Amino acid sequence: AQKITQTQPGMFVQEKEAVTLDCTYDTSDQSYGLFWYKQPSSGEMIFLIYQGSYDEQNATEGRYSLNFQKARKSANLVISASQLGDSAMYFCAMSRYGGSQGNLIFGKGTKLSVKP
Amino acid sequence: DGGITQSPKYLFRKEGQNVTLSCEQNLNHDAMYWYRQDPGQGLRLIYYSQIVNDFQKGDIAEGYSVSREKKESFPLTVTSAQKNPTAFYLCASSLNTGGRNEKLFFGSGTQLSVL
Repeated sequence: AQKITQTQPGMFVQEKEAVTLDCTYDTSDQSYGLFWYKQPSSGEMIFLIYQGSYDEQNATEGRYSLNFQKARKSANLVISASQLGDSAMYFCAMSRYGGSQGNLIFGKGTKLSVKP
Repeated sequence: DGGITQSPKYLFRKEGQNVTLSCEQNLNHDAMYWYRQDPGQGLRLIYYSQIVNDFQKGDIAEGYSVSREKKESFPLTVTSAQKNPTAFYLCASSLNTGGRNEKLFFGSGTQLSVL
């Protein structure tokens, strides 16, 4: 069965420092997509970054980058130069095998708190 | 501006009552989804629809029902058969291109509580 594991329930980081949020996944599918979403206290889920299983380069989007290690089945999110507005829940997700490709499986999330 | 509108933001249900959560999108997306979020948990899929007049059960469909009569709208009814309905409900949509990079666009959610 497909599964996403986020082992860090909460993380603290000092403003302007970098932080890594961990995500490991389990799938027998050869073709899959990995996503990171941010959920501020307002509740809305905001797409951050995507990595395809066949992508040779790690994905980057501004201050966000994805450290993709396929053999280890990990897809860690790196946030550089943390800002106070980065305080939120962060969810790792994977495209589900078969069916609608927008049908994602989510991890339990990591709560990031940025300290001034 | 294009987006997904969920209403109401807060909803209270009495014992034995059915309640309906509204989700409307003006992104011209074909696919729509309902997820449930419990404290300390990730999102779990309730129902999804790839096309008008068709929908599929997700992982936790029991006690819920949906309809998709219009492309823009995907309401979720929480029936009295759902014994633990207190949760945060998120509606999402996507283009349904069939690619693995299909990203979801989310509404701002509805918090449902039981009186």
